[in-house]
Amino acid sequence: EAGVAQSPRYKIIEKRQSVAFWCNPISGHATLYWYQQILGQGPKLLIQFQNNGVVDDSQLPKDRFSAERLKGVDSTLKIQPAKLEDSAVYLCASSLNRNTIYFGEGSWLTVV
Amino acid sequence: GDSVTQMEGPVTLSEEAFLTINCTYTATGYPSLFWYVQYPGEGLQLLLKATKADDKGSNKGFEATYRKETTSFHLEKGSVQVSDSAVYFCALEGTGNQFYFGTGTSLTVIP
Repeated sequence: EAGVAQSPRYKIIEKRQSVAFWCNPISGHATLYWYQQILGQGPKLLIQFQNNGVVDDSQLPKDRFSAERLKGVDSTLKIQPAKLEDSAVYLCASSLNRNTIYFGEGSWLTVV
Repeated sequence: GDSVTQMEGPVTLSEEAFLTINCTYTATGYPSLFWYVQYPGEGLQLLLKATKADDKGSNKGFEATYRKETTSFHLEKGSVQVSDSAVYFCALEGTGNQFYFGTGTSLTVIP
């Protein structure tokens, strides 16, 4: 079974530029999550989708971050404009039902 | 709200030593509990889980028991190997299928 796919793996941008990350969840998984993991910390939930609807985006900095999940499959997370403190790993995860989520390898963002 | 608190690291052990990483949780209801492992440069991988009180999750020699009375889910392994060097995250699944993670404990095993 293919895992959660993310791209790009690595991205370096200057502050105030924009960046987009793409995620393809495991086939059939209705729930999709985007987490932000800052170096040395645990993952922090940014947004959770159930199919193509948003379940929780309370910790998403909506002035600069946006995410969509068209057709309830792939998802894109965008940051515009980026700040230095956005340097982190952006983890996409998906789950079929309760009790287990599966993570992709992450997209590593460095803002300089 | 729901949260997990895990032991601060880093932890350094010699090969074949006994490992314990403490994790306690705060939650309403009866959450499922998890340990995830993150190897350098990789995403998080599920290590083990327990879905109800007194359940024991186990995998690759690691174990953790869901203790409702102490709200704990400590990770243990009897004999660690160099290949176990990684960051370990305790997590719980709270209401609404939302997952909460601890801050992670870095483990280094030296030969």
